[in-house]
Amino acid sequence: EVQLVQSGAEVKKPGESLKISCKGSGFTGYWIGWVRQMPGKGLEWVGIFFPLNSDTRYSPTFQGQVTLSGDKSINTAYLHWSSLKAADTAMYYCVRYGGATLRDNWFDFWGQGTLVTVPS
Amino acid sequence: QSALTQPPSASGSPGQSVTISCTGTSSDIGNYNSVSWYQQHPGKAPKLMIYEVNKRPSGVPDRFSGSKSGNTASLTVSGLQAEDEADYYCSSYAGNDNYVFGTGTKVTVL
Repeated sequence: EVQLVQSGAEVKKPGESLKISCKGSGFTGYWIGWVRQMPGKGLEWVGIFFPLNSDTRYSPTFQGQVTLSGDKSINTAYLHWSSLKAADTAMYYCVRYGGATLRDNWFDFWGQGTLVTVPS
Repeated sequence: QSALTQPPSASGSPGQSVTISCTGTSSDIGNYNSVSWYQQHPGKAPKLMIYEVNKRPSGVPDRFSGSKSGNTASLTVSGLQAEDEADYYCSSYAGNDNYVFGTGTKVTVL
């Protein structure tokens, strides 16, 4: 059974660093993506990571704002902030890319979400 | 890249059909068949409903169908049921290994 299990909710102060995780089970060799949903808002594509070779792509909106990484030995992807801002407050979902190529793809499995709160 | 444009809301009575549009550009929807649709109930993670414009994952009822014409994709829900009330988002490949989501549509079952 394919599952994506994310780390728990976080409350951090502005300027602090944070790394949240997404552990995949029931599969290997798939791209893992991240999606942001700010409170009461829509979905935004953050970027993707390939655990087998650490290949990474970022949305222009998030380039330089976050870092994607992972550990292939435990099939886990990470989303990292070096200095959080209040505007980073959101639910973050990890997703599995279901297709074979980056171009022809879709998000077939979703994690339960990690709520990141950065009070202003 | 800019978000794909969806109507904020749509509604229908039980048993009726509702169609949601998703308008992009020739740089995303118009140039690729990587259009997918997601259903999100309040407080839940989104769920894949349609991929590659008109394919349904296993377990998704055939009441859900997708199509595309030019720069606009559409999701149709036929035979509306109470559990279809949710937010729906489209997504498309946008080139340069990037993806973009739609603005979201809240579907209400009257």
